[in-house]
Amino acid sequence: SQKIEQNSEALNIQEGKTATLTCNYTNYSPAYLQWYRQDPGRGPVFLLLIRENEKEKRKERLKVTFDTTLKQSLFHITASQPADSATYLCALGRNSKLTFGTGTRLQVTL
Amino acid sequence: GAVVSQHPSWVICKSGTSVKIECRSLDFQATTMFWYRQFPKQSLMLMATSNEGSKATYEQGVEKDKFLINHASLTLSTLTVTSAHPEDSSFYICSAQGDRIGNQPQHFGDGTRLSIL
Repeated sequence: SQKIEQNSEALNIQEGKTATLTCNYTNYSPAYLQWYRQDPGRGPVFLLLIRENEKEKRKERLKVTFDTTLKQSLFHITASQPADSATYLCALGRNSKLTFGTGTRLQVTL
Repeated sequence: GAVVSQHPSWVICKSGTSVKIECRSLDFQATTMFWYRQFPKQSLMLMATSNEGSKATYEQGVEKDKFLINHASLTLSTLTVTSAHPEDSSFYICSAQGDRIGNQPQHFGDGTRLSIL
């Protein structure tokens, strides 16, 4: 069965550093992969989408990579700020349907 | 842009009650809407996909007679939890997509916390 793994342990980093979150998957061939941010008690907010034929996407301080051979996506936040503290979800997609990972909680401290 | 409004945000009701949750796309037309549920510290689980004007497609294990979905217009979908029981207590979240092309972002509402006593 499909499996999406995100580090379940919280990631604590210092303000100004680069945060790197990992999303690994098995038994799945996604056509695209998306990253979302979710704050407590709120719905997810879309951040970035990368397609299977793309290696890297950037948007402001965000960067995502997608390696279909390794079955892995990395999500980077550069110059992190306390306001970046949230849970980040990766979601694999095919035919409009998204399958979400459990998310990684990021805590950025001063 | 791409705002999705979900109402109500919080519901507490007695066992056996039916509860209706609304999901509206405020500034775009949503050809496809999705309904998810999320348990604490778990991932979002897709319950069903609905396209405007047609019947919803339910995921395996989701009872269609229990979770009634109506997508009557391009801006509104509703989920009715019929005869709700405590095990139905969860966080229900809807999302909307502006076209039928799969590889587009989904825009989420802020969810409805349902508590059945």
